[in-house]
Amino acid sequence: AQKVTQAQTEISVVEKEDVTLDCVYETRDTTYYLFWYKQPPSGELVFLIRRNSFDEQNEISGRYSWNFQKSTSSFNFTITASQVVDSAVYFCALRSIQGAQKLVFGQGTRLTINP
Amino acid sequence: KAGVTQTPRYLIKTRGQQVTLSCSPISGHRSVSWYQQTPGQGLQFLFEYFSETQRNKGNFPGRFSGRQFSNSRSEMNVSTLELGDSALYLCASSLGPVEYEQYFGPGTRLTVT
Repeated sequence: AQKVTQAQTEISVVEKEDVTLDCVYETRDTTYYLFWYKQPPSGELVFLIRRNSFDEQNEISGRYSWNFQKSTSSFNFTITASQVVDSAVYFCALRSIQGAQKLVFGQGTRLTINP
Repeated sequence: KAGVTQTPRYLIKTRGQQVTLSCSPISGHRSVSWYQQTPGQGLQFLFEYFSETQRNKGNFPGRFSGRQFSNSRSEMNVSTLELGDSALYLCASSLGPVEYEQYFGPGTRLTVT
């Protein structure tokens, strides 16, 4: 079975602080994809990044960076110099290429950036 | 390119009624998935269609059904509505299944009274 765990239910920080959102996944498959989505108060999920299981390179996009570590089954997301507009619920998701192939989401982390 | 559109955005129904939700994917996308989002259960997968064929189905009762048309537009139907069906229903489209990222619509907020 596949599972995604986002242990941090809520995080609150002050603007300009760095913040890391944790994501731990479980799968027996060797080929899979990991995703991060952002859900702002408006409700629409916004795609942030996709990673396949064979690519463990870290990625940086502006203030966002992702750290994928297969050895610990983690795919963590860091926001540097956070801004109020980063306030949202962030979801980590997993999809295996074998088996059921469903996109499985974690429970989400509600991030609040205070001015 | 226009994003994923869902209609209606809001819906209020009574227990026992049925409802049909509609989703228009991004142009060129052939895969459409549906999700139910509730505060208690989070985001749960309903079903996925690709080229008019259902590829995957989540663990929902048979009251939940869907279909995809030749233009990739999709509909989902819930019959004999229950109070517990109140949720945000999200549609997502992608170029294809599995390895492609999904792009989500704004959702349909269904309230069952």
